[in-house]
Amino acid sequence: SAVISQKPSRDICQRGTSLTIQCQVDSQVTMMFWYRQQPGQSLTLIATANQGSEATYESGFVIDKFPISRPNLTFSTLTVSNMSPEDSSIYLCSVDDRNIQYFGAGTRLSVL
Amino acid sequence: GDSVTQMEGPVTLSEEAFLTINCTYTATGYPSLFWYVQYPGEGLQLLLKATKADDKGSNKGFEATYRKETTSFHLEKGSVQVSDSAVYFCALEFAGNMLTFGGGTRLMVKP
Repeated sequence: SAVISQKPSRDICQRGTSLTIQCQVDSQVTMMFWYRQQPGQSLTLIATANQGSEATYESGFVIDKFPISRPNLTFSTLTVSNMSPEDSSIYLCSVDDRNIQYFGAGTRLSVL
Repeated sequence: GDSVTQMEGPVTLSEEAFLTINCTYTATGYPSLFWYVQYPGEGLQLLLKATKADDKGSNKGFEATYRKETTSFHLEKGSVQVSDSAVYFCALEFAGNMLTFGGGTRLMVKP
């Protein structure tokens, strides 16, 4: 199974700033995903990131707010831009490895 | 669209009790079905999966059977432990596509 490292594990940020979350996989994977888990809620897909193409965003999420990079088959970043307290959530990356999705430990973001 | 419905929690049990967490789904076609577990302060871990009707997924004493006729994938364990306390998510996926999650069910096991 794929092993995923996500950084930072948690952060506390000020309103109006931006945070970039990194996701590193120990093997080459085609599809990577970014999810948001709001407090006490289930997971909502933000976008799908494939290497060599622009990320595909789900309804309610836009590139200006959540820009994503996917420079190679083992790495991706998600930036949460111009943050507000409503962005306080856990952000998780996942990868599809032989039709099973594996998740990182998540980034716990609090916005003051 | 596709959707997954789980029983609401929290579910509170005593150690060694029998566990059932209900999960039903709505989908066009025949998705793969998964149970993920999220322990406090951690990310999601795959618990078990089933890819076709009548398949039974099992792991760590947990079981779930893919029931096409009832569109269900209920999670069961015969004897829960305190260490099983976590949030459990039922999910479906069509090959290569995103996971659709249920709302999650928090399980609390008391000694």
